[in-house]
Amino acid sequence: DAKTTQPTSMDCAEGRAANLPCNHSTISGNEYVYWYRQIHSQGPQYIIHGLKNNETNEMASLIITEDRKSSTLILPHATLRDTAVYYCIVRDNYGQNFVFGPGTRLSVLP
Amino acid sequence: NAGVTQTPKFQVLKTGQSMTLQCAQDMNHNSMYWYRQDPGMGLRLIYYSASEGTTDKGEVPNGYNVSRLNKREFSLRLESAAPSQTSVYFCASSEQAGGLTNEKLFFGSGTQLSVL
Repeated sequence: DAKTTQPTSMDCAEGRAANLPCNHSTISGNEYVYWYRQIHSQGPQYIIHGLKNNETNEMASLIITEDRKSSTLILPHATLRDTAVYYCIVRDNYGQNFVFGPGTRLSVLP
Repeated sequence: NAGVTQTPKFQVLKTGQSMTLQCAQDMNHNSMYWYRQDPGMGLRLIYYSASEGTTDKGEVPNGYNVSRLNKREFSLRLESAAPSQTSVYFCASSEQAGGLTNEKLFFGSGTQLSVL
């Protein structure tokens, strides 16, 4: 299974862009990179996903390197409500399960 | 549109008691999942159901059973609860059946279970 590596925690000033990195050096060609976040004790929430190209939606942007070995989730103007644990996930080889690691705890500071 | 609904939200059990966690989704999704989350950790998959009528073990299935009652409902049963099963349980669903890589998970709000 492809694995991901994320920093344990990050801080970001309110109003600034939050850039959350993820390494996935063993990703295979047909696997997507997904980002979810979990606010406090709620269920995880889908943010964005991509295969090769950069993606943008109303929540965030996803930048995937050309070799696909790493990616960055960008929250363009972080707010206090963006404080959460962010999970970078790559689907496993059987396309069946999402494996949630410990994620990155993002703290948006006033 | 309620999405994924879990009941109960909180439960306290004594060791050895049994209970069933209920999950229902109204999005006509094929696949459903049960995860557990222990303090400070990511989610671990207990069981999943790729489609109605099928269930498969995930990473941590021991001590649990599941039933995919119909396309909407996927229940998780603890036959004899143990303190090690104290956790927050999340149900999730996704639109496409297994084998496809491009799908999103939608989660319920969780059940906080304590086993004394």
